[in-house]
Amino acid sequence: SAVISQKPSRDICQRGTSLTIQCQVDSQVTMMFWYRQQPGQSLTLIATANQGSEATYESGFVIDKFPISRPNLTFSTLTVSNMSPEDSSIYLCSVDGGRVDEQFFGPGTRLTVL
Amino acid sequence: QKEVEQDPGPLSVPEGAIVSLNCTYSNSAFQYFMWYRQYSRKGPELLMYTYSSGNKEDGRFTAQVDKSSKYISLFIRDSQPSDSATYLCAMTQGAQKLVFGQGTRLTINP
Repeated sequence: SAVISQKPSRDICQRGTSLTIQCQVDSQVTMMFWYRQQPGQSLTLIATANQGSEATYESGFVIDKFPISRPNLTFSTLTVSNMSPEDSSIYLCSVDGGRVDEQFFGPGTRLTVL
Repeated sequence: QKEVEQDPGPLSVPEGAIVSLNCTYSNSAFQYFMWYRQYSRKGPELLMYTYSSGNKEDGRFTAQVDKSSKYISLFIRDSQPSDSATYLCAMTQGAQKLVFGQGTRLTINP
């Protein structure tokens, strides 16, 4: 299994500011994913990030709001831009190990926007 | 209509009880059905997965898939306080993208 760490683990931010979340994996992986988990809601996929290509965003999510970087096979960042209270959520990084039963999740970043 | 529906609970049962968790879905193209367990302030971890219809058993846990009814279940026998967590069902057609249910918060009371 892959060990995934995220920074920060939590943050409280003011509206209108931006926060960059880091995801580090202990092994090289091709596909990384960013999810949002809002209170009482299911995990929703924001985007898929492959190294060396632009991230692919799901319906309802745009690059200007959630820019993603994927500089190498073990690291990715997600920025939540121009934040509003509606962005308060847990943001999770996930990696795909190549099999259906090999999708692993990081511990999440708990974001509160005031 | 959401692609995957899951009763969010919360569900509270005494230790030793049999727990039944369920999800329904609308996309008949789903082929893989998973159950993830998520402890507080942790990421989800895969508990079990099933391909297509049928049952799968792993210790105290049994996963059932009924594709004709678009209904999946997770049963926990002899439930323990350590089983207290949020349980999320998830499904995929096999192309990495997972679609999750809301998650059911389960508490097992000693």
